[in-house]
Formats: sequence, structure tokens, C-alpha cells
Amino acid sequence: EAGVAQSPRYKIIEKRQSVAFWCNPISGHATLYWYQQILGQGPKLLIQFQNNGVVDDSQLPKDRFSAERLKGVDSTLKIQPAKLEDSAVYLCASSLVAGIGETQYFGPGTRLLVL
Amino acid sequence: DQQVKQNSPSLSVQEGRISILNCDYTNSMFDYFLWYKKYPAEGPTFLISISSIKDKNEDGRFTVFLNKSAKHLSLHIVPSQPGDSAVYFCAASGSGYALNFGKGTSLLVTP
Repeated sequence: EAGVAQSPRYKIIEKRQSVAFWCNPISGHATLYWYQQILGQGPKLLIQFQNNGVVDDSQLPKDRFSAERLKGVDSTLKIQPAKLEDSAVYLCASSLVAGIGETQYFGPGTRLLVL
Repeated sequence: DQQVKQNSPSLSVQEGRISILNCDYTNSMFDYFLWYKKYPAEGPTFLISISSIKDKNEDGRFTVFLNKSAKHLSLHIVPSQPGDSAVYFCAASGSGYALNFGKGTSLLVTP
């Protein structure tokens, strides 16, 4: 079974530029999550999708971050414009459904450096 | 505000000995707890979990203990192996299903 795929793996941009990350979850997984992991911290949930609907985006900085999950499969996360403090690893995860006890499977992450 | 705390950033253990990783939480609404393991340049991998209705869950060399009254859980690895060297994240979830992670503990198992 193929795991969660993410691209690109690494991205370096200058502040105020835009960047987009792509995630392809495990086939059949209805729930998709985007996490931000700043160096030395644990992952922090940015947004959770159930199929193509948003379940939780309470911690997404909506003035600069946006995410979509068209057709309930792939998802993109965009930052526009980027700030220095956005430097982090962006992790995508998926689970079969949303629920207590449902294991979340993580992709390898996209490491973003904002200069 | 950090709701899940891992107060030991690092731990070094000899091969064959027991590794004990600790985690504390503050939100009494959390009812499901997980441990994830992370190698460099990879995403976190699920290791073991425990529901709040239990106080112990075992899977091979890995055992998680939950003390609800103390809001504390621990992961025991026995015996520790060099391949266990990784960063271990404690996570908790409640009715919202979102995972709240600690900062992680870096475990080094030396031969």
C-alpha cells in the first residue's frame, strides 16, 4: 500500500514570495490533515478535511495560508505571502475516517526555508 | 499553550536496557493517547496508543502506561535496541480528533 505522498520535499523562498505544497493521501482515506512542525516543536494542526469539506481550520493563519482539497483526494496548502516565521516542515497526514482511535499516517513532509 | 508536555528533550540508554519516555497533559478532555516515532527526514510513524478506559497497553517491546489521575503517560521500551534511536512524540486527542503533540524526546540507544 502506497503511503502519503508529498511534494516538493524541500523549498527555499524569500519572504513575501508565495509557495504551494501538494499532498496525495493514502487511497481511500477520507480524512486529510496538514500540520506545521517548527524546529524543536511537535507538529501543530493547521487544517483538517473530511472528504473535500473543512472540519477544523481554527489554527490556520487565514490571512496568508489557504488550503483546498478538490474532489476529496489530493490537497494543496498555499502560503502567500511567506514570512520568516513560516520556516518549518509541513506534514500531511491521512486517516481512513475521522474518529477516536483512527491512526493518522504521515507523509515525509516538505521542509520550507524562508529567507 | 502547550497541552501535551514532554519535559525531557533527550534520553540516552544502553542497548538491552529499558527506555522510559514520559509525557504529561493538562486537558482533562483528552481521552486517547498515542506515541509516534520519527526518524530524520521522515514523517512520524504511529507506534502505540491507549484509550482513557485502560491503564496499560502492550505491543511487543513497547508498553504504554496511563495514569489519568496524574494526567501522565509513559512509554516503556524493553529491551532497547539501537534501531529504536529516534524522536518520540506523545500525542493526545479528544472529541475533535485532532492530535495535540508534545515537543518530542530524542532517544539514543548506544551499543
